[in-house]
Amino acid sequence: NAGVTQTPKFRVLKTGQSMTLLCAQDMNHEYMYWYRQDPGMGLRLIHYSVGEGTTAKGEVPDGYNVSRLKKQNFLLGLESAAPSQTSVYFCASSPDYFTTTGELFFGEGSRLTVL
Amino acid sequence: AQKVTQAQTEISVVEKEDVTLDCVYETRDTTYYLFWYKQPPSGELVFLIRRNSFDEQNEISGRYSWNFQKSTSSFNFTITASQVVDSAVYFCALHSSNTGKLIFGQGTTLQVKP
Repeated sequence: NAGVTQTPKFRVLKTGQSMTLLCAQDMNHEYMYWYRQDPGMGLRLIHYSVGEGTTAKGEVPDGYNVSRLKKQNFLLGLESAAPSQTSVYFCASSPDYFTTTGELFFGEGSRLTVL
Repeated sequence: AQKVTQAQTEISVVEKEDVTLDCVYETRDTTYYLFWYKQPPSGELVFLIRRNSFDEQNEISGRYSWNFQKSTSSFNFTITASQVVDSAVYFCALHSSNTGKLIFGQGTTLQVKP
């Protein structure tokens, strides 16, 4: 099993450019999340999804958009990148908490630098 | 509102000491889940434990133990006889069954010196 796969792993952008981070999971999980990790700030929730076709805002959604057209994929888009979006981005997925003893599975992270 | 607070930013101990990492949470949900994750220097996030709001039993796993107290909204993590390999950033997290949102605390950096 691949688990949770994030692409790309590294990316350098110029201010104003756009890009999309792809998160793919092969575990048939319902829940998917995008976080950003910055020094001293912990993991902050950007957007999340509780099922195919649904998305919701997290703690720091501004400047990002997401889509979950297919259950296995959760895309994070930056329409006009800013230096403040320089960060490490983590995707995570989990099964339905009520029916399993599920844990949150994380991808390896994507390091994004905006110049 | 949903919030997780890990007041200890950094902790430094000498090997074999016991250490407790604090986690305090806020939620209006009656059903929720609490987690602890470890992030070693390599960067990956490692699952340690999950606890639901209806289960206040403390748990022990080897040198690790967790104390869940709903009365004080705390879910503290103790490492007994710490080892250098325990050096990492530890995160506490809260999942809302009402919204599906899962948020993390700021993390506690633990340094275990030989």
